[in-house]
Amino acid sequence: DAGVTQSPTHLIKTRGQQVTLRCSPKSGHDTVSWYQQALGQGPQFIFQYYEEEERQRGNFPDRFSGHQFPNYSSELNVNALLLGDSALYLCASSLRNLGEKLFFGSGTQLSVL
Amino acid sequence: RKEVEQDPGPFNVPEGATVAFNCTYSNSASQSFFWYRQDCRKEPKLLMSVYSSGNEDGRFTAQLNRASQYISLLIRDSKLSDSATYLCVVNTGFRAGGFKTIFGAGTRLFVKA
Repeated sequence: DAGVTQSPTHLIKTRGQQVTLRCSPKSGHDTVSWYQQALGQGPQFIFQYYEEEERQRGNFPDRFSGHQFPNYSSELNVNALLLGDSALYLCASSLRNLGEKLFFGSGTQLSVL
Repeated sequence: RKEVEQDPGPFNVPEGATVAFNCTYSNSASQSFFWYRQDCRKEPKLLMSVYSSGNEDGRFTAQLNRASQYISLLIRDSKLSDSATYLCVVNTGFRAGGFKTIFGAGTRLFVKA
């Protein structure tokens, strides 16, 4: 049973660039949530996708956007990167009808120089 | 005020000690509650759900007080392997669909031999 997979594991970008992170949910899961975790902080909710639509959004600017595909996989896009965007980006999947227990991928470490 | 607040850490305890973590949340409409564990440079993993009636899983006991908007986690007979960051998590569902999962900043636990 494949768990949540994320790619790439590490990424280095420069200010102003754009980045796309990818996530495949756990087999059988239909909901994907994205989180940003800065060093020493808890994960911060970015947004959640279900049925290919953004269902909920945290306090992140429009530079952060996403997409969910028919196979439930998801992408997180960040435009006009800032130094402060450097963080661990976590994807979590869940099954909507069975509550909100989250299963996380191992994350993408993004460094913006 | 943060939506989810946890005890500041770190907690340094000897093996065999009992340690308690506290957490408060601000949204009275929150519906489900969890404790997650996160090891250094790893993704968060679900430790246990939290119910008003209290629930126990081996050495771990979780409790929810909805009136006080307070969540607790008790670890008995601490092991070296319990060293990690413990994240308090609160979920709020929406009629429009989807849910928002808010994490506390986490409390770091060090168990020493």
